[in-house]
Amino acid sequence: QSALTQPRSVSGSPGQSVTISCTGTSSDVGAYNYVSWYQQHPGKAPKLMIYDVSKRPSGVPDRFSGSKSGNTASLTISGLQAEDEADYHCCSHAGSYGIFGGGTKLTVL
Amino acid sequence: QVQLQESGPGLVKPSETLSLSCSVSGYSISSNYFEGWIRQPPGKGLEWIGSISHSGSTFYNPSLKSRVTISIDTSKNQFSLKLNSVTAADTAVYYCARDTGGLCHDYWGQGTLVTVSS
Repeated sequence: QSALTQPRSVSGSPGQSVTISCTGTSSDVGAYNYVSWYQQHPGKAPKLMIYDVSKRPSGVPDRFSGSKSGNTASLTISGLQAEDEADYHCCSHAGSYGIFGGGTKLTVL
Repeated sequence: QVQLQESGPGLVKPSETLSLSCSVSGYSISSNYFEGWIRQPPGKGLEWIGSISHSGSTFYNPSLKSRVTISIDTSKNQFSLKLNSVTAADTAVYYCARDTGGLCHDYWGQGTLVTVSS
C-alpha cells in the first residue's frame, strides 16, 4: 500500500492561513471518518492536533481545523504563528491497517 | 496522566530480531483501546507498523506482516513489538502509541532509536 499523498512543503506568513492536503483513495480516507493530523517538531514525538477528521483534542487551539471531501482530507491552520513551524502528518484508517501520509514541512516566513 | 515509554536495545545486528517493549501508565490496556507501534526512519515520514486490541486481535502493515509480531501483557500493562530478519532499512525511531480504535493514535511515547548495524 502507498502512503497517503501530502505536499512536501507549504509556507505562510504570520497571521495568514495555510491548508495542508492529504489525499488517499476510496479504501482509506474516502471510506472512513478516521483521519488524524499530527504536529511534529524536530527531535520530538508527534502530537495529535485533529482526530476523526475534524475533532480537536483538549488544549489544541481552535486555529487548527480539519475537514474531508471525498478521498482528500485537509488541515487548515489560521492565524499562523512562529511556533506552528513543524512537520505535519496525516493518518487514516485503511480497513485492516492504518496508513500515514509522507509528511509536510510547514515554514512560517 | 497517560504516559507510554519504549524500552529495548538501541543496536541490533542484521538478520537478528528487534524486540521492544512499551510500558503504559495512566490507563489500563485492558480497557477499550488498541495499542500500536509506528516507526520513523531518519529524515523520513512515519510508517504504521501494527496495532493490537486488548483482547489480542492484531492488525499489521501488509508490507511488514511477515516479519512482525505484536503482543500484549495486561498483567504488566505492557505491550511488545518483535521484528525479525532486520536489515539496515529497519533503522528508525520506534514509537509506541495508544490507538483510539480507528487505527490512528492519540498518546505517543517519546520514541527510541534502533540502529541495525554489525
